[in-house]
Amino acid sequence: QQQVKQSPQSLIVQKGGISIINCAYENTAFDYFPWYQQFPGKGPALLIAIRPDVSEKKEGRFTISFNKSAKQFSLHIMDSQPGDSATYFCAASKKKGGSYIPTFGRGTSLIVHP
Amino acid sequence: KAGVTQTPRYLIKTRGQQVTLSCSPISGHRSVSWYQQTPGQGLQFLFEYFSETQRNKGNFPGRFSGRQFSNSRSEMNVSTLELGDSALYLCASSTDPGTAYGYTFGSGTRLTVV
Repeated sequence: QQQVKQSPQSLIVQKGGISIINCAYENTAFDYFPWYQQFPGKGPALLIAIRPDVSEKKEGRFTISFNKSAKQFSLHIMDSQPGDSATYFCAASKKKGGSYIPTFGRGTSLIVHP
Repeated sequence: KAGVTQTPRYLIKTRGQQVTLSCSPISGHRSVSWYQQTPGQGLQFLFEYFSETQRNKGNFPGRFSGRQFSNSRSEMNVSTLELGDSALYLCASSTDPGTAYGYTFGSGTRLTVV
């Protein structure tokens, strides 16, 4: 059972375009939604995160949009650059045993053409 | 400030053998989590240790085990290796996993079982 569904699996955009990655979750107990960026040969790195009491969060060119009623959230990368080419993972976290444990989506491989 | 260090970076083992992977968290981080990353299943949670105690465990067979030492360093052991255990094993540390502010991942250990 996949608790966090991510789409698309791969995405190709031109430099300067907008990259959009979507995620959906089932468990309403999730209350923290981070996005991670992973470059080849590296571990995932926290990019931006949101809590469900906020509908949008923006950090530079990266924006999370959150729809609590639809149980969906998305990452928008504005003015996409070749350096943004990486794999992106959405995650949903809930507290368990005193710790927030993220459940990850399957990932989206983003390629930005120059 | 040193990041999360995982050793070794690459490992080739034969089916049926056992393997031990090591993780040194960021100084001051008391929580260490382990994840298995494969192309088919994405990032899957193995277990989490906090102050030498296993606080959370994922849905993996008992062949997968771990421990954490008093200096917060952690080891993960896989016994009776199977071909399907080939994966990137990622360690992540957090100063306070109860705050939900994400983890810092290491670059992983690439395990190949032949």
